[in-house]
Amino acid sequence: ELKVEQNPLFLSMQEGKNYTIYCNYSTTSDRLYWYRQDPGKSLESLFVLLSNGAVKQEGRLMASLDTKARLSTLHITAAVHDLSATYFCAVDRSQGAQKLVFGQGTRLTINP
Amino acid sequence: EPEVTQTPSHQVTQMGQEVILRCVPISNHLYFYWYRQILGQKVEFLVSFYNNEISEKSEIFDDQFSVERPDGSNFTLKIRSTKLEDSAMYFCASRVHSGEEQFFGPGTRLTVL
Repeated sequence: ELKVEQNPLFLSMQEGKNYTIYCNYSTTSDRLYWYRQDPGKSLESLFVLLSNGAVKQEGRLMASLDTKARLSTLHITAAVHDLSATYFCAVDRSQGAQKLVFGQGTRLTINP
Repeated sequence: EPEVTQTPSHQVTQMGQEVILRCVPISNHLYFYWYRQILGQKVEFLVSFYNNEISEKSEIFDDQFSVERPDGSNFTLKIRSTKLEDSAMYFCASRVHSGEEQFFGPGTRLTVL
């Protein structure tokens, strides 16, 4: 059974600081996704990582994937208040229904 | 830009009542999904649907749940007899074909009293 673990689950940061969220998954997976969710809202797709060593960046967020370690990271650079949200990673496999299996989410609070 | 839509945005119902949550996937998409998220928890897969049949379902998706694509555009999730623990946000998602990304709708918040 595919399992996805994120840490930390809660993260409170000061603006301007850097931090990393980690996502581990239990079995071989073909794709890894990062989503952002604001309170009461839907899931906003941030990154799709398809291969070992993949790195993608958008603004202050950078995601990477190490398929050998079954680990993805979401790095936040010089955090700003607008990045406060819950961040989920999710994985799927190319066979079968290709359902997404989500991590528990990391609730990020950025304080001025 | 095409998007997945869901109605209603919020549904309040009494325990034991039937509810139908509606989704309109992106028009050329072929794979459809329902997920749920209990408040403050992670997103959980419920069911996937392809070629007019269920392709996979989770343990959560018991006999009280059913899905249907009645008219080629809508994709519905029915809960026959709601329980308090069915209170959650329900997300519909679709993908165009195998190997492509899923796109999520805005969700329906179901509150069972």
